Amino acid sequence: DTEVTQTPKHLVMGMTNKKSLKCEQHMGHRAMYWYKQKAKKPPELMFVYSYEKLSINESVPSRFSPECPNSSLLNLHLHALQPEDSALYLCASSLTRQETQYFGPGTRLLVL
Amino acid sequence: GDSVTQMEGPVTLSEEAFLTINCTYTATGYPSLFWYVQYPGEGLQLLLKATKADDKGSNKGFEATYRKETTSFHLEKGSVQVSDSAVYFCALSGVGRRALTFGSGTRLQVQP
Repeated sequence: DTEVTQTPKHLVMGMTNKKSLKCEQHMGHRAMYWYKQKAKKPPELMFVYSYEKLSINESVPSRFSPECPNSSLLNLHLHALQPEDSALYLCASSLTRQETQYFGPGTRLLVL
Repeated sequence: GDSVTQMEGPVTLSEEAFLTINCTYTATGYPSLFWYVQYPGEGLQLLLKATKADDKGSNKGFEATYRKETTSFHLEKGSVQVSDSAVYFCALSGVGRRALTFGSGTRLQVQP
């Protein structure tokens, strides 16, 4: 089983809203990732967690705030987003950072 | 730094045609190589992988061989189906396994 789940599937939010994206896996993976994907582009890495600790932040604006409450769960808290933040947000996980990454279905975010 | 170059798309083929999508890479050492597929409106699915030179990854009729001498990992399928229409991403995981480096993606359209 290589399933990564993400909720919600779609999200529309205003620029003053606060919302959260959720990612979950039950494969015992200890590395989890957030990617942002704009239309017709490859995914861009945002954050990497390894053993529940943030190990990479790709200079992402502070309006995106990741959280890893336990080894199975990864959240992305959103606040005061801009319309250009509209994109598909993908979560991925791997056994360790050296292993193959498995992606979730993504959350399609629209910021109005 | 690491980089991946894919052939420009879209690639349009008739059903049962032979498919090749070219992928070349630049990396130090011996990266792991991947093909991911993204169907419309979905996340990325791992299609196949190879972790060392001369390895052949295969899945669902798709194949790719890790060629160190030509730094290539071309994707092939002998007979495509309409259901193979998707965007295909070549990616590598380099020394240190910091993150995946993706190619730009190649859109495949298969016509009945």
